[in-house]
This record gives sequence, structure tokens and C-alpha cells, in this order.
Amino acid sequence: KNQVEQSPQSLIILEGKNCTLQCNYTVSPFSNLRWYKQDTGRGPVSLTIMTFSENTKSNGRYTATLDADTKQSSLHITASQLSDSASYICVVSDRGSTLGRLYFGRGTQLTVWP
Amino acid sequence: EADIYQTPRYLVIGTGKKITLECSQTMGHDKMYWYQQDPGMELHLIHYSYGVNSTEKGDLSSESTVSRIRTEHFPLTLESARPSHTSQYLCASSEIEGARAGELFFGEGSRLTVL
Repeated sequence: KNQVEQSPQSLIILEGKNCTLQCNYTVSPFSNLRWYKQDTGRGPVSLTIMTFSENTKSNGRYTATLDADTKQSSLHITASQLSDSASYICVVSDRGSTLGRLYFGRGTQLTVWP
Repeated sequence: EADIYQTPRYLVIGTGKKITLECSQTMGHDKMYWYQQDPGMELHLIHYSYGVNSTEKGDLSSESTVSRIRTEHFPLTLESARPSHTSQYLCASSEIEGARAGELFFGEGSRLTVL
């Protein structure tokens, strides 16, 4: 069964600290993996996309990694800010963008305290 | 910022009422989607469309219907709302080709409460 599991379910950190969110998947075949950020009461927004051949990709203070062999991805947030408080959702696609089916994780709820 | 808009943002209605959730995008995207999201749960696909006059049911069984008579517009209708329909409904669109193909652009959601 194709699944996407995220951990931890929730996380509280202090402003300025770093944190790492995990995403494990069993989706096969694999096309790409995206991380989305969803602020409370808003729709998700894409942070980064990882394809099979990519190991790491950065977007400002966000760095995503992918290990396609172990089917694991992580999202590392550096020097956290209050605005980083949100749910972070991992989404895996099993084929190309036209026909691909998307598998969603339940998200990690991150809270950054001052 | 994504150019995709949903109305209403919040709606409280009684059981048995008919409701339509509106979704419009100005990006010219061919593919559009409706997702249902409950707290702490993954998004569930309820309908999608590849283009005008194309609509398909998603993974989640739903009593709602959709239409796509214009590229930019993808409304979702519930003929008779029930308390079990209480949820957050997210509309999204994506390019089929191009540099950002497959990336979902979401609206801000419609939170429906059925009493």
C-alpha cells in the first residue's frame, strides 16, 4: 500500500533554533516529492520539489534532502522564526505530472515560541 | 502569491440545504482539484478535472458534484448538506507541462459547518 508517513506529528521549538522534519514513503513507482507549508487557515504553498536524482535542495532557510534508496526525505529549517509556525506536508507523486497520483502525509505541526 | 480564489471562506448552514463552493483561478491552469481536509489528517482528493468538460471523482467517496464549463472556474455543489459534510474544502490547480508542472497552487479554503 502506498503511504506517506511524517514525523514528528508536532514539534515545539524556540525562535532561532534549528529543526528537522521527517517523511518516509512507500510509494512506488516514484516520480517526485514536494514539501508544502500550510499556515493556519490558509492553503498549502510549495516549498521545494525533489526528484529521483536530487539529494538536497535549498530554499532560503529551508533545506530538503532525499534518499531514494531508503525512501526518506527530510526538511531542515535553520534559524527558525515565528513565521515558520505552520503545518509542513510531504507529498509524493508516483508518475509524471499529468497522470501522477499524489500521496499526502498528515503533516508535522511546527510551533515556534519566542 | 497564487491566483486562485475560493468563496465563501466560511459557511454555516442547516441540514438539507444546497450549497455551492466557488473556485476560480487566473493562471490558465488546465488541471483543477477539490480536496477535503480534516484536522490532523491528510488531504483527500474528492474531484479533479483535466480541462473544460472533463471531471473525475477522486479517492474519497463524496456526495458532491463538480462542473468545468470554463477553464478558470471549478465549482463544487452539495445538493443536500449533512453534518458529516462539515470540513475544510481546498481547491487547487496545476500546470500539466512547464517548469512548475505538477505543483499544486491552493486557494485559501472554504470551511463548511453543517448543523
